[in-house]
Amino acid sequence: DIVMTQSPDSLAVSLGERATINCKSSQSVLYSSNNQNYLSWYQQKPGQPPKLLIYWTSTRESGVPDRFSGSGSGTYFTLTISNLQAEDVAVYYCQQYYSTPYTFGQGTKLEIK
Amino acid sequence: QVQLVESGGGVVQPGRSLRLSCAASGFTFSSYVMDWVRQAPGKGLEWVAFISYDGSNKHYADSVKGRFAISRDNSKNTLYLQMNSLRTEDTAVYYCAKPHYASGIHLFDYWGQGTLVTVSS
Repeated sequence: DIVMTQSPDSLAVSLGERATINCKSSQSVLYSSNNQNYLSWYQQKPGQPPKLLIYWTSTRESGVPDRFSGSGSGTYFTLTISNLQAEDVAVYYCQQYYSTPYTFGQGTKLEIK
Repeated sequence: QVQLVESGGGVVQPGRSLRLSCAASGFTFSSYVMDWVRQAPGKGLEWVAFISYDGSNKHYADSVKGRFAISRDNSKNTLYLQMNSLRTEDTAVYYCAKPHYASGIHLFDYWGQGTLVTVSS
């Protein structure tokens, strides 16, 4: 199984500042035949299901603000939230969809400082 | 618009069974692989199972293999999860999730609101 490890487990960032969440996979999720990293990011607010933010490492889902961006390749990935807004308070999860079981990181709780 | 509505959750004793349903609408259900994902209270997300568009191919997490069975009825646009020999560690909110692509790339663009399963004596 591919183990996804996020860091930090929680962080507090001031409004308008940048938040950075890291995700490391135990093996590469880069599929050589199409040169795509099978890595996505989700946002989950209390009492709600997860919401897809980013897939293929850096492709924003429709309707997701451009202050959310993703980067990385192979085994190291980053979700960056620029100009943090109050509505960004949530838990963020990375997920690999390279192989079964489709594993998620343990989550990173983002709060306002 | 896409809607996924789960039902069937509740409180059940260890060792008993429960069947969850997910009614889908707003997309061509019969063309899509479908998945179940669960979340224990206060914990992270765990993928549970997927089923191919025609029901011919199924995969399970090791934690539920041999106890859970995923199925679908394309005539009713409904996904199911039969859960047998339930354990306390199966306590979770169970989400029905639709992949972004029909072809079986398991990133999920729509999720139901979830149904809570509590396994307790």
